[in-house]
Amino acid sequence: NAGVTQTPKFQVLKTGQSMTLQCAQDMNHEYMSWYRQDPGMGLRLIHYSVGAGITDQGEVPNGYNVSRSTTEDFPLRLLSAAPSQTSVYFCASSYSRQGNNSPLHFGNGTRLTVT
Amino acid sequence: QKEVEQDPGPLSVPEGAIVSLNCTYSNSAFQYFMWYRQYSRKGPELLMYTYSSGNKEDGRFTAQVDKSSKYISLFIRDSQPSDSATYLCAMSDYRDDKIIFGKGTRLHILP
Repeated sequence: NAGVTQTPKFQVLKTGQSMTLQCAQDMNHEYMSWYRQDPGMGLRLIHYSVGAGITDQGEVPNGYNVSRSTTEDFPLRLLSAAPSQTSVYFCASSYSRQGNNSPLHFGNGTRLTVT
Repeated sequence: QKEVEQDPGPLSVPEGAIVSLNCTYSNSAFQYFMWYRQYSRKGPELLMYTYSSGNKEDGRFTAQVDKSSKYISLFIRDSQPSDSATYLCAMSDYRDDKIIFGKGTRLHILP
């Protein structure tokens, strides 16, 4: 049981490049989300999904796209990378929607640098 | 005012001491309160989960929620060097699918 798997672990991009951060979970979790973690800023929610085919915006969605075509996968796309998107990105999943005693399980993060 | 406020520390205490970590919040609709522990270069892991007000104990860890004051605490008894990590509080509203995190407190337990 791998839990939440994020790839790649590290990535360096040039300004303007695009890329997709991958997230997969093997726990049949309904809810998945993406956070970014910056020094002094804590974890900030980018996008989340309460099930396949359903996504919604979090606190800091600009510059990122998501889709949820399967229960297992929730990729995060950077459309045109900017230095302000240098961060550590965490994917998380939980059994059901929040408010149902359903804690988040986190991956180990993708460290992204945009030059 | 941010929805969740947490002192970033760092907080250094000697081994064996009682540690108190705290968060305040502004959204009175929050009903679910969590504490996560994050080791360096790892993802956060859930420590405690509390619904509404009151106390919850799990081994050396006790979580307290005071909704009237919009204040939550995590106490660690008999602290160990292995407790050195960043502790993040988090909370959510039953009407909303978002979990909001505090900035995290870096804790160092000195042997």
